[in-house]
Amino acid sequence: GDSVTQMEGPVTLSEEAFLTINCTYTATGYPSLFWYVQYPGEGLQLLLKATKADDKGSNKGFEATYRKETTSFHLEKGSVQVSDSAVYFCALRSTNAGKSTFGDGTTLTVKP
Amino acid sequence: EAQVTQNPRYLITVTGKKLTVTCSQNMNHEYMSWYRQDPGLGLRQIYYSMNVEVTDKGDVPEGYKVSRKEKRNFPLILESPSPNQTSLYFCASSLMVLAGYNEQFFGPGTRLTVL
Repeated sequence: GDSVTQMEGPVTLSEEAFLTINCTYTATGYPSLFWYVQYPGEGLQLLLKATKADDKGSNKGFEATYRKETTSFHLEKGSVQVSDSAVYFCALRSTNAGKSTFGDGTTLTVKP
Repeated sequence: EAQVTQNPRYLITVTGKKLTVTCSQNMNHEYMSWYRQDPGLGLRQIYYSMNVEVTDKGDVPEGYKVSRKEKRNFPLILESPSPNQTSLYFCASSLMVLAGYNEQFFGPGTRLTVL
């Protein structure tokens, strides 16, 4: 079946540091890939997505590129802020759209 | 405001006492799904529904039931809860047109404790 493997956390960075959270996947067909963010006490919300190979999703300074050759969708941000502290989930949605698979989540803490 | 609502937000119950967690969305989405979130295990899909009267199992359906009698509602039923169902539960919905491309909208979560 489909699977998503995320870089283990927690990750602690200083403000303005560069962020990378690795995500690799296994899937049949051509899934869509997503990054969701969960702030404390809240549900998940979409951060960015990519629906085909070589697509780059971007939002709020975060970026991720759909790499079919390496089956990866790594999340990056050039300069993190304290407000970016949250749990980040990589996810894929299968082509039949019913099933969704999420990674274990990576907790990011940004210190001033 | 477009949203997914869940009730209750917090629930403490005892083993074997049937309970229902409600989920409702006001975005006219065809697709709805339930997940549970456990430390170190991420989100795992319990059941999903592609449309009214169409439901299917996710990865961890044991011990749960769902029904989809109306488009906007998708309740999660625990007929005989057990302590291993203590978890944080999320309901989500999305459009079905080009469904695989669409993000899901999540509710705020229901924290369930089974004693």
